[in-house]
Amino acid sequence: EAQVTQNPRYLITVTGKKLTVTCSQNMNHEYMSWYRQDPGLGLRQIYYSMNVEVTDKGDVPEGYKVSRKEKRNFPLILESPSPNQTSLYFCASSPHRVNEQFFGPGTRLTVL
Amino acid sequence: ELKVEQNPLFLSMQEGKNYTIYCNYSTTSDRLYWYRQDPGKSLESLFVLLSNGAVKQEGRLMASLDTKARLSTLHITAAVHDLSATYFCAVDGNRDDKIIFGKGTRLHILP
Repeated sequence: EAQVTQNPRYLITVTGKKLTVTCSQNMNHEYMSWYRQDPGLGLRQIYYSMNVEVTDKGDVPEGYKVSRKEKRNFPLILESPSPNQTSLYFCASSPHRVNEQFFGPGTRLTVL
Repeated sequence: ELKVEQNPLFLSMQEGKNYTIYCNYSTTSDRLYWYRQDPGKSLESLFVLLSNGAVKQEGRLMASLDTKARLSTLHITAAVHDLSATYFCAVDGNRDDKIIFGKGTRLHILP
């Protein structure tokens, strides 16, 4: 089944404890992206990747890192999480940039 | 800087009525997307509009794009309860590879 998977789906952590949210797609898509969704703010793009080893900042990249070593994986790294990073995170992929995106199920992160 | 504005942000309407959601954006783009999100769920793609004058229809939903006016509309015909959801438009900026989403329109259709 064609899909975008994210792990974990739920995470509660404490300030400063490094964490990684994984994202994987099995559709051989070139474009991958991370978003955060906050009430009243819609979705905001954190980072995106046009292809392997090509990543760039979205609208709200501060406090996040990403890597794209393989086409299928696009992990989101929070080196030192803070409470203002408590949010619902979505990973998405598309065949290339000019196309609809397929979204993962979301990861609800709480930073205490 | 590309900005995307949707209105209304909340809409409560009765079954059987027609209504339109508007999506305005601030800089040149000819690529616009509509997504639907059900409560507690992820987003699913509804329409991809890739040129001026593009019109797409699926069931009771119809989306259009006017790149000169920098406006897209999502029209709902004879609404049914199943269409209750939050609808997002997203714009692909021509000058960079970012994708900017509107804040979403929460649609509640009363039986």
